[in-house]
Amino acid sequence: GAVVSQHPSWVICKSGTSVKIECRSLDFQATTMFWYRQFPKQSLMLMATSNEGSKATYEQGVEKDKFLINHASLTLSTLTVTSAHPEDSSFYICSAANRDRRNTEAFFGQGTRLTVV
Amino acid sequence: AQTVTQSQPEMSVQEAETVTLSCTYDTSESDYYLFWYKQPPSRQMILVIRQEAYKQQNATENRFSVNFQKAAKSFSLKISDSQLGDAAMYFCAYRSYNTDKLIFGTGTRLQVFP
Repeated sequence: GAVVSQHPSWVICKSGTSVKIECRSLDFQATTMFWYRQFPKQSLMLMATSNEGSKATYEQGVEKDKFLINHASLTLSTLTVTSAHPEDSSFYICSAANRDRRNTEAFFGQGTRLTVV
Repeated sequence: AQTVTQSQPEMSVQEAETVTLSCTYDTSESDYYLFWYKQPPSRQMILVIRQEAYKQQNATENRFSVNFQKAAKSFSLKISDSQLGDAAMYFCAYRSYNTDKLIFGTGTRLQVFP
């Protein structure tokens, strides 16, 4: 199956600093990628839809200035958590859909565990 | 807006037995997709099975099968001959026909006992 690589797998940062998470589709092109957040023992909550070459679409309640998304190419989307605080600590997962294979399943990255201290 | 409900926070099954996980959803759309994803302790999301709403035939993948009842908006997952490696969180998910955005249920934690 298609591979989506997310980096880093885990990161610890200090309060007030920014952290960038990368999501790459390794063997297909993705015009759209999705960023999810998962709290412990809870479901995946969609944060935003990342669109190649245009602005991301954020879900209600998600601060766009806090969670900056850039989708500069057909294989890379980045999520930057700006001025991170302990409450931003969570598990972040990206997914991507193959542009050339419409209506197939999305593929997930392995996730990033962010801990803000 | 579409919603997905999983009413069983936890389920358990004996190895080699069969277990069924429940999922209901709400939508006004006629064309859509339904999925079951498995999330093991590694937290990597793994697709278990998918169902297109326009297909009446229930999807099957080896030991995994679904009972798709479109009128009742029900989409249960049956795991036959359960194995220890099946232990994980299972999420039911909905996707509209013209988007790749997934809406997840709250998940069911499946334990498998030897």
